[in-house]
Amino acid sequence: SQQGEEDPQALSIQEGENATMNCSYKTSINNLQWYRQNSGRGLVHLILIRSNEREKHSGRLRVTLDTSKKSSSLLITASRAADTASYFCATDAGSARQLTFGSGTQLTVLP
Amino acid sequence: DTAVSQTPKYLVTQMGNDKSIKCEQNLGHDTMYWYKQDSKKFLKIMFSYNNKELIINETVPNRFSPKSPDKAHLNLHINSLELGDSAVYFCASSQVRGIDTGELFFGEGSRLTVL
Repeated sequence: SQQGEEDPQALSIQEGENATMNCSYKTSINNLQWYRQNSGRGLVHLILIRSNEREKHSGRLRVTLDTSKKSSSLLITASRAADTASYFCATDAGSARQLTFGSGTQLTVLP
Repeated sequence: DTAVSQTPKYLVTQMGNDKSIKCEQNLGHDTMYWYKQDSKKFLKIMFSYNNKELIINETVPNRFSPKSPDKAHLNLHINSLELGDSAVYFCASSQVRGIDTGELFFGEGSRLTVL
């Protein structure tokens, strides 16, 4: 079954603006990961945040995790046209030995 | 060097045919996966193998049969193809440590079109 739901489904912004994507999930997790998928390509891992962490940064990416609300957000600061892609959250429930992916957010950054 | 490679990238075939997709990883990971991505980009796990042993088999029709000759390879064979099998199939690998699935490394995908 689908674990994560992402919001919004699609987001269109101007270059230089910040983009925020949200992910909600249903069960307890070991960690949560964010992936990016360019059109016609495979998914690429961006960042992993563990269940005992609240915030993590990597370059222009900032991820937060609220386990009490079962939600996470991905913030991309100072977006670029090259950030145009689909972004997916994925949850690792631990013993399941698999990642369950959300429905994805299609981000379009206009030059 | 490509970490996870899958072939073919595109596959167009008639209903009822049998086809295979091959996947190889050179990362030394012990776990490999097949995911199916539908037209709405929803990704669903199909199978997972750990050291050549099947550990996850989601509710996939038994027309789909994975085969792992060694831990670096996980192939997918599909019998009697149906229109609904049209999708992009992704192979992935990870290094599982304890209960931690780890980061997944994906192939570029194989787009299957059944006519």
